[in-house]
Amino acid sequence: SAVISQKPSRDICQRGTSLTIQCQVDSQVTMMFWYRQQPGQSLTLIATANQGSEATYESGFVIDKFPISRPNLTFSTLTVSNMSPEDSSIYLCSVLEGNSNYGYTFGSGTRLTVV
Amino acid sequence: QKEVEQDPGPLSVPEGAIVSLNCTYSNSAFQYFMWYRQYSRKGPELLMYTYSSGNKEDGRFTAQVDKSSKYISLFIRDSQPSDSATYLCAMRFGGTALIFGKGTTLSVSS
Repeated sequence: SAVISQKPSRDICQRGTSLTIQCQVDSQVTMMFWYRQQPGQSLTLIATANQGSEATYESGFVIDKFPISRPNLTFSTLTVSNMSPEDSSIYLCSVLEGNSNYGYTFGSGTRLTVV
Repeated sequence: QKEVEQDPGPLSVPEGAIVSLNCTYSNSAFQYFMWYRQYSRKGPELLMYTYSSGNKEDGRFTAQVDKSSKYISLFIRDSQPSDSATYLCAMRFGGTALIFGKGTTLSVSS
C-alpha cells in the first residue's frame, strides 16, 4: 500500500495565524482527502483534493478557511487559516489507491493546538 | 440522527477474551463496510472490509454485516494486549468519501 508522509506531526500555533500541512505520497494516486479528527468526534471529511482543479469541500468547510493545493498526483497541502482554539484537532491526509473500493490509506496526522 | 453510530467505550477486557465491537447506520445505500484500527498518535489502518451483507474472517478477526438491521460487527478472538487501540467503523456507497463512526477504545490487559 501507499506510504504517506505528513508534516508537521504536531504544532502549537497562536490564534489568528495560519498553518500549512503537507502530505507526500510515495506513488501516484488519483484520490486524496483531508480529514479532521476532533476529540470524541468521528473522523470528518474536510475536502477531496483534486489534481489540477479546485478542491471539493464538504458541508461546513469552506475554501477561505481551509485552502487546499494539489499540484501533482503525489502531493497536497492543507492550510488552516486564521486559526482559533476551535481548530485544535488532528488533521489527516488520506489516499485511495487505484480502482480499489477499500484501499484507503491514512497518514499519521498533524496534531494542532491553537492557543 | 448521525449516519453512523458507534459506542466510544472505553472497553476493557482481559487477555484471551472475545471482543465484540458494533456500529449501526441509518443510510441503507451504504455498500462497502470497513474496520480501521488506530493506535495512539498514528493514522487509522485498514483492518477488515466487507461488501454488502455477510461474514468475513481473517485470523482472529471476523467482520459481519447485517444490512437488514443496518448493523455491522467486528469480533476479535483471543484478544491480545497488542490489540489495545481505537477501532473505527467506516462505510461508503457510490461516492468515494468514507463515513466514520466515533471509534471504540479497547484496552486488553495481560
